[in-house]
Amino acid sequence: EVQLKESGPGLVQPSQTLSLTCTVSGFSLTDYSVHWVRQPPGKGLEWMGVMWSGGSTAYNSALKSRLSISRDTSKSQVFLKMNSLQTEDTAIYYCTRRTYWGQGTLVTVSS
Amino acid sequence: DVVLTQTPVAQPVTLGDQASISCRSSQSLVHSNGNTYLEWYLQKPGQSPQLLIYKVSNRFSGVPDRFIGSGSGSDFTLKISRVEPEDLGVYYCFQATHDPYTFGAGTKLELK
Repeated sequence: EVQLKESGPGLVQPSQTLSLTCTVSGFSLTDYSVHWVRQPPGKGLEWMGVMWSGGSTAYNSALKSRLSISRDTSKSQVFLKMNSLQTEDTAIYYCTRRTYWGQGTLVTVSS
Repeated sequence: DVVLTQTPVAQPVTLGDQASISCRSSQSLVHSNGNTYLEWYLQKPGQSPQLLIYKVSNRFSGVPDRFIGSGSGSDFTLKISRVEPEDLGVYYCFQATHDPYTFGAGTKLELK
């Protein structure tokens, strides 16, 4: 059964770095790409970036300077790191294969 | 970046009616390989989005045939015939032709 599960801190202070982990099961990261998508409370979906099955990445233009996506295939994990967080980065963060989605994790940026 | 414009922002419906949502792209979504990577997602309240349609008109596994995607180039439509209660929520179009990928702003399907 395909599953994706996000994990990370629920609260991050302004100007700090967010680190999230997406742990997948039921498929190999070398066969399928994994995307990160976020959704501020009450707002729409924003595509953040992707870890391609071949190991390369692509990023949202507006986030590119702050965002990094990496992976550990042996642990079936994809990582998101985003620095210089501000209150507008408060959102539910999803990892997804597009056909399958994690439940999302709420990240609140606040002091 | 590609901008996807969805209309309407909200679509009030009566159960059993047909609903139609438009998604227009700021540029053609035909990939150099000939495919058009336009997808539709539904997000029900309190849930993660779920894929309904991929490559313009292909229903994902388990999606009822009352969901019909159509269009070409930069103009796409999702039609839902005979709206049922479980169809209510926010619909998003998404393009995966041009990097960076982008979502439309969403259309809320709600009861009249």
